[in-house]
Amino acid sequence: GESVGLHLPTLSVQEGDNSIINCAYSNSASDYFIWYKQESGKGPQFIIDIRSNMDKRQGQRVTVLLNKTVKHLSLQIAATQPGDSAVYFCAEKITQGGSEKLVFGKGTKLTVNP
Amino acid sequence: NAGVTQTPKFQVLKTGQSMTLQCAQDMNHEYMSWYRQDPGMGLRLIHYSVGAGITDQGEVPNGYNVSRSTTEDFPLRLLSAAPSQTSVYFCASSRRTARNGYTFGSGTRLTVV
Repeated sequence: GESVGLHLPTLSVQEGDNSIINCAYSNSASDYFIWYKQESGKGPQFIIDIRSNMDKRQGQRVTVLLNKTVKHLSLQIAATQPGDSAVYFCAEKITQGGSEKLVFGKGTKLTVNP
Repeated sequence: NAGVTQTPKFQVLKTGQSMTLQCAQDMNHEYMSWYRQDPGMGLRLIHYSVGAGITDQGEVPNGYNVSRSTTEDFPLRLLSAAPSQTSVYFCASSRRTARNGYTFGSGTRLTVV
């Protein structure tokens, strides 16, 4: 079945440290993965994405790694800042017969301590 | 562009009442979808649409109806609200070949008493 899960529900880091948020997925048909950031009272915001034909993609201070062998996705945030405190969701896009669905994990709450 | 606009932002309903949550996007996106977000459950897909006139069910469709008569609008209808439908609802849209994921609205917080 489809499931996207996160290994840790909460993560607390010191300002300036690097953060790593992990995600496991189970659907081998997934062809596109996205990380979202959700601040309190707001909708999810796109952070970075990666297609299934890639294993790494970098953005500004963020890197997403995809390991298809073990169906694992991670988000790395460099030099974590207080403004990075939020809930982070991974999502997998499943495309079947022209229809697509975005399935979300339960989220990891990141707290950055000053 | 306004992006994805959801109305209302907050709503309180009595059990058995009906209402429609509105969602509109001005980006000419083909795909639109509705999610509900409950504590500890992440976002769960209710219904989605790949284009005008086409809708399909997601993970948790029971108790909800949708229609997609135009590209811009994707309303979500609760025909007879139940306390179990208390949640935060998000509408999202994307292009057919989404390169930046989905764009989400700011959400509607619904309480059913």
